[in-house]
Amino acid sequence: SQTIHQWPATLVQPVGSPLSLECTVEGTSNPNLYWYRQAAGRGLQLLFYSVGIGQISSEVPQNLSASRPQDRQFILSSKKLLLSDSGFYLCAWSVRGANVLTFGAGSRLTVL
Amino acid sequence: AQSVTQLGSHVSVSEGALVLLRCNYSSSVPPYLFWYVQYPNQGLQLLLKYTSAATLVKGINGFEAEFKKSETSFHLTKPSAHMSDAAEYFCAVSVDGGSQGNLIFGKGTKLSVKP
Repeated sequence: SQTIHQWPATLVQPVGSPLSLECTVEGTSNPNLYWYRQAAGRGLQLLFYSVGIGQISSEVPQNLSASRPQDRQFILSSKKLLLSDSGFYLCAWSVRGANVLTFGAGSRLTVL
Repeated sequence: AQSVTQLGSHVSVSEGALVLLRCNYSSSVPPYLFWYVQYPNQGLQLLLKYTSAATLVKGINGFEAEFKKSETSFHLTKPSAHMSDAAEYFCAVSVDGGSQGNLIFGKGTKLSVKP
């Protein structure tokens, strides 16, 4: 069966520090991968999605970036965090060409 | 452009009472619609989805939703609330007509269930 892992689960970082959140999917090949952010009272916002290795589409301009170095690995990064980057980050995957998302457990980022 | 509006950020019901969570959508293409549930500090889990096969969609945990094109609505219901239903519920619409998982989510409705 397929599983999705995200880490770290919780992160507290100072303003201006770098960020790296990792997501891996097991039990499937060629998944579509997604990063969503959930901020308090604002629902979920799609940040990035990827349909293949090295293929990243950005939905929202910001100081975050994403990379997909391997088929089932998706990384969310920042060189310098802002206070506004605080939130709950959710990785998700779907079968290529399908629209049902399976979410990871999330990573809660607090920027101080 | 697609959008989703969830009416009521917080709904409270008594155990055993009807649950009704409201969702209205806007879409320039025939929509694919979803309801997801999120328990505290967890990811989202798919409850059900509408893909034009049937207007009444049954999901997990006794939930169902009815697609009403004339009202542009996709409200989520459950006849009898259980304490374990307390969670946050998100309605979502597919951005591009359904071929990918690029979804636009509503802001969520937090459901409380009173004993």
